[in-house]
Amino acid sequence: DTGVSQDPRHKITKRGQNVTFRCDPISEHNRLYWYRQTLGQGPEFLTYFQNEAQLEKSRLLSDRFSAERPKGSFSTLEIQRTEQGDSAMYLCASSFGGQGKNIQYFGAGTRLSVL
Amino acid sequence: AQKITQTQPGMFVQEKEAVTLDCTYDTSDQSYGLFWYKQPSSGEMIFLIYQGSYDEQNATEGRYSLNFQKARKSANLVISASQLGDSAMYFCAMREGENTGNQFYFGTGTSLTVIP
Repeated sequence: DTGVSQDPRHKITKRGQNVTFRCDPISEHNRLYWYRQTLGQGPEFLTYFQNEAQLEKSRLLSDRFSAERPKGSFSTLEIQRTEQGDSAMYLCASSFGGQGKNIQYFGAGTRLSVL
Repeated sequence: AQKITQTQPGMFVQEKEAVTLDCTYDTSDQSYGLFWYKQPSSGEMIFLIYQGSYDEQNATEGRYSLNFQKARKSANLVISASQLGDSAMYFCAMREGENTGNQFYFGTGTSLTVIP
């Protein structure tokens, strides 16, 4: 298995444009998470899926943000009408649900720059 | 209040020496998990070590060990025999509660530099 994959690695966009990021989790993992990380900070939780169901959303996830995981495999995170404050690293993680440690394995992230 | 506090923005260690990175946490749950991740400049968060709140022994994974002091709510990471490749950001994280699907709370990280 190649681990969690995110695409693109870097995205530069102009304010007001829409952007979409993709995350492919580790294949046997049923849980998928999105986090946002700004410079000098740790990752902050955005949302979480178990299979195709979106079970939890952070207050950080404004109406301009939407995430999907249509078939319980890959996920997309869309930001509409981007703002300069959206500039950050967007990290995806996956884990295997059930009892136990629930170690989340992370991808390399998508770095978004909004000009 | 912050769930995870890392008070050392930057640390330096001589190659082959041991170093301790501090982490304190805040939770009222009896069941929780503590994690350490390494983030090199490439950006990927790499899992290092896990400690469960009910684990009686400190976790160890190769050169990494976790000094878990439950009463003090601290979960310090000890890296023995530091290597140049250990230079990176290190994040402490916590999962609260019994539900293993819960989100992680991360600290602000410690930047470790290993000096040759």
